[in-house]
Amino acid sequence: AQKVTQAQTEISVVEKEDVTLDCVYETRDTTYYLFWYKQPPSGELVFLIRRNSFDEQNEISGRYSWNFQKSTSSFNFTITASQVVDSAVYFCALSEKDSSYKLIFGSGTRLLVRP
Amino acid sequence: DVKVTQSSRYLVKRTGEKVFLECVQDMDHENMFWYRQDPGLGLRLIYFSYDVKMKEKGDIPEGYSVSREKKERFSLILESASTNQTSMYLCASPPGQGFTDTQYFGPGTRLTVL
Repeated sequence: AQKVTQAQTEISVVEKEDVTLDCVYETRDTTYYLFWYKQPPSGELVFLIRRNSFDEQNEISGRYSWNFQKSTSSFNFTITASQVVDSAVYFCALSEKDSSYKLIFGSGTRLLVRP
Repeated sequence: DVKVTQSSRYLVKRTGEKVFLECVQDMDHENMFWYRQDPGLGLRLIYFSYDVKMKEKGDIPEGYSVSREKKERFSLILESASTNQTSMYLCASPPGQGFTDTQYFGPGTRLTVL
């Protein structure tokens, strides 16, 4: 069965530290997509990245980077030089070809960046 | 820009009341989704709709119904609200169909049932 696990419930760091949020997924599909969303205190989910199962290249966008490893079924998210504005809940999610409409979410990781 | 709006940010209702949560998208999208978010559980799919008057149950449809009379509007209905339906409700809509599309979310409605 499909599943997304974010084992870190809450992480607290001091500003300028690097932090990695873990995401492990389970799927029987060979074709799937992985997503990361950010939910700031305002509540709205903000889309960060989408990655398909055939593209294992790592992605960097400013201070954000993502490491996709099919061998370990992981799609980890690293924030470099964290800032207070990065404080939010971050969700990893999975969608599969065989469940065309469905997005499976992890339980989320709350990141607190202290000044 | 993708724009999904929800009628209320905060709502307080009493047990047994009928509650309507409204979601509107102005992008002519076919698909619309309702999720519920609870601490430690992430987001769980309640219902989704892939066309006007078409709907399918998600993972936790019990106690909820939906209505999609017009393409731009997708309503979530709590027929008789209960305290265990106190939660954050999020509406989403992807631009296309299928699993490749990114779902864009509304701001959420935090519902409290007393």
